[in-house]
Amino acid sequence: DIQMTQSPPSLSASLGDKVTITCQASQNINKYIAWYQQKPGKAPRLLIRYTSTLESGTPSRFSGSGSGRDYSFSISNVESEDIASYYCLQYDNLPWTFGGGTKLELK
Amino acid sequence: EVQLVESGGGLVQPGRSMKLSCAASGFTFNNYDMAWVCQAPKKGLEWVATISYDGSSTYYRDSVKGRFTISRDNAKSTLYLQMDSLRSEDTATYYCARRDYSGVMDVWGQGASVTVSS
Repeated sequence: DIQMTQSPPSLSASLGDKVTITCQASQNINKYIAWYQQKPGKAPRLLIRYTSTLESGTPSRFSGSGSGRDYSFSISNVESEDIASYYCLQYDNLPWTFGGGTKLELK
Repeated sequence: EVQLVESGGGLVQPGRSMKLSCAASGFTFNNYDMAWVCQAPKKGLEWVATISYDGSSTYYRDSVKGRFTISRDNAKSTLYLQMDSLRSEDTATYYCARRDYSGVMDVWGQGASVTVSS
């Protein structure tokens, strides 16, 4: 199974900050990584697919990059509506595996 | 509107069975692979199972193989998860999700809560 090591587990930011979350796969996942946002009590929402492709409706302050085993997800100019947990997902190989999640909080 | 609505969750005793349903609407259900993902309380997301668009292929995480069965009824646009021999560690919210053509899970239901406890 491919392990996805996501860091940090939690993040404290002020409004307007830029934050970055990383996911490292245990092997090359060929850019098949997606990023999800989850708010308490809600289903995950797909933000980015295939490393850097923003979903329709995803604000441009969200971005993704990476290749091989190493990937990152950033939010520039954090807004209050971005307070949530974020998960990476590798969908290159079954079993699909998620990172452990990052909880973004306001400082 | 593309929508997935789960039902069938609740409290069940260890060793017993439960069947979840996921009703799809707003898209051509039989064109898409579907999946179940679970989330234990205060924990992260875990993929559980996937079924191909026509039901001919199924895939499971190791911890549920032999206990859970994913199936679908394309005539009813409904996905199912039959969970047998339930354990306390199966306690979680179960989400159904659509797998789009690029392979990513793009649409999710609101989740069904399953609690396994005596």
